[in-house]
Amino acid sequence: QKEVEQDPGPLSVPEGAIVSLNCTYSNSAFQYFMWYRQYSRKGPELLMYTYSSGNKEDGRFTAQVDKSSKYISLFIRDSQPSDSATYLCAMEGTSYDKVIFGPGTSLSVIP
Amino acid sequence: EAGVAQSPRYKIIEKRQSVAFWCNPISGHATLYWYQQILGQGPKLLIQFQNNGVVDDSQLPKDRFSAERLKGVDSTLKIQPAKLEDSAVYLCASSLDRVGGPSYEQYFGPGTRLTVT
Repeated sequence: QKEVEQDPGPLSVPEGAIVSLNCTYSNSAFQYFMWYRQYSRKGPELLMYTYSSGNKEDGRFTAQVDKSSKYISLFIRDSQPSDSATYLCAMEGTSYDKVIFGPGTSLSVIP
Repeated sequence: EAGVAQSPRYKIIEKRQSVAFWCNPISGHATLYWYQQILGQGPKLLIQFQNNGVVDDSQLPKDRFSAERLKGVDSTLKIQPAKLEDSAVYLCASSLDRVGGPSYEQYFGPGTRLTVT
C-alpha cells in the first residue's frame, strides 16, 4: 500500500461546478496536510495547509482533514477555467520528517 | 520577491552521460530541497539541506547522484552516469529555516525537464 493515494483523474467539470478532490493515507504520524496546485510545466505552489483534523476555508477553497479515517479533501466552489491544473495532496509529520506527495489529480474546468 | 531560479529548463542527454542542474533559492531561505518528479507521479524528495548541511538524503541514489550547497545558498545536483529511468523533472524548492518545525510552506522553482535517451 502506498503511503499517500490519490485518484489521478483526469477530472473534467463545467465552469461553476463544485469540485471535490480527495486523498487517503496510511501513516498515522502525519500531522500537517497540504494541497499544492501545479500548472503544466510549472513547479507546484502551495494552496492551503491544515494542521491535524478539521476544516479550513480560503476564498473558494475548503480543505478538510479527517485523521480518524486517514482521509483529506479539497473542495473548490464556483470552479473557473483558471483552476485547470494538477492538484497534489501532501503531508508530513513533525520535526524533520520529509513531505510526502500524492500522485496528483488532473482537473480541467470547461468554459 | 524573486522566486526560486533553476537552470537549465530542459536537457536531453544519452544514457551514461553526466548532467548537472543548478538552483538559486529565495533569498534568506535556509532550507533547500531537490525533488524528482516522474511523469504522472508526485514529487519525491531526493535531498534536503539546512544551510549547507544535509538533513535528509535517504532517497538519493548515491551511486550516481550527488548534490552540494556551497556557502548555504546556491545548490547543484549532478547525475553521473545517467540511466533511462532518470528521465523526469527535477524540482528545487526552498523554505524558511524549519528549526524542527514543519516545512509545508515550500516555494518551488519551475524545474528542469531531463530526457535520457
